[in-house]
Amino acid sequence: AQSVTQPDIHITVSEGASLELRCNYSYGATPYLFWYVQSPGQGLQLLLKYFSGDTLVQGIKGFEAEFKRSQSSFNLRKPSVHWSDAAEYFCAVVPGSSNTGKLIFGQGTTLQVKP
Amino acid sequence: DTAVSQTPKYLVTQMGNDKSIKCEQNLGHDTMYWYKQDSKKFLKIMFSYNNKELIINETVPNRFSPKSPDKAHLNLHINSLELGDSAVYFCASSQGGTRVLGTQYFGPGTRLLVL
Repeated sequence: AQSVTQPDIHITVSEGASLELRCNYSYGATPYLFWYVQSPGQGLQLLLKYFSGDTLVQGIKGFEAEFKRSQSSFNLRKPSVHWSDAAEYFCAVVPGSSNTGKLIFGQGTTLQVKP
Repeated sequence: DTAVSQTPKYLVTQMGNDKSIKCEQNLGHDTMYWYKQDSKKFLKIMFSYNNKELIINETVPNRFSPKSPDKAHLNLHINSLELGDSAVYFCASSQGGTRVLGTQYFGPGTRLLVL
């Protein structure tokens, strides 16, 4: 079945440590890929997106993500986490075959940052 | 200036009531969306309108009826509220109709609790 999977429900890292959040998708055609962040009590904010081209994309707040076609993955990374990064992170896709731009979200990963 | 605004922010109501949630965007976008986020933080699209025309209509009970009086507004009316309707409802907007290149901007959410 077509899906977006974020294997880690909850991750805790120390402030200043590196971070990697995983995202896998299962669609026949390469989808359009997104990472969103949701701070507590807030709406979602786009961190970055991948449509084509360079497989390493840079986003806001120092985040980057790498598209790996062979692994059907689009993992989000940050070299040094700040306490303000504590939030819910969502990977999302628009299937390559879509003609409606419908976003399909993963289950989300809750990031906790230890001082 | 709030780009995508929703009212009310919180809504507590009894089962069987009818309620509306309003959404307005001042970004000049031509496409608007409604998403539902359940208690497990899973996000799923419900509806999408492009230039006041319905383009995405997911499997949603017909108790939910979106209404778009103009491009800047997309309201959600819910009849005969049920306990399972308790969730956070997010409005979003984007530019470009069904083209996936349009980044979706999200409102702060409306937290609905049905008692």
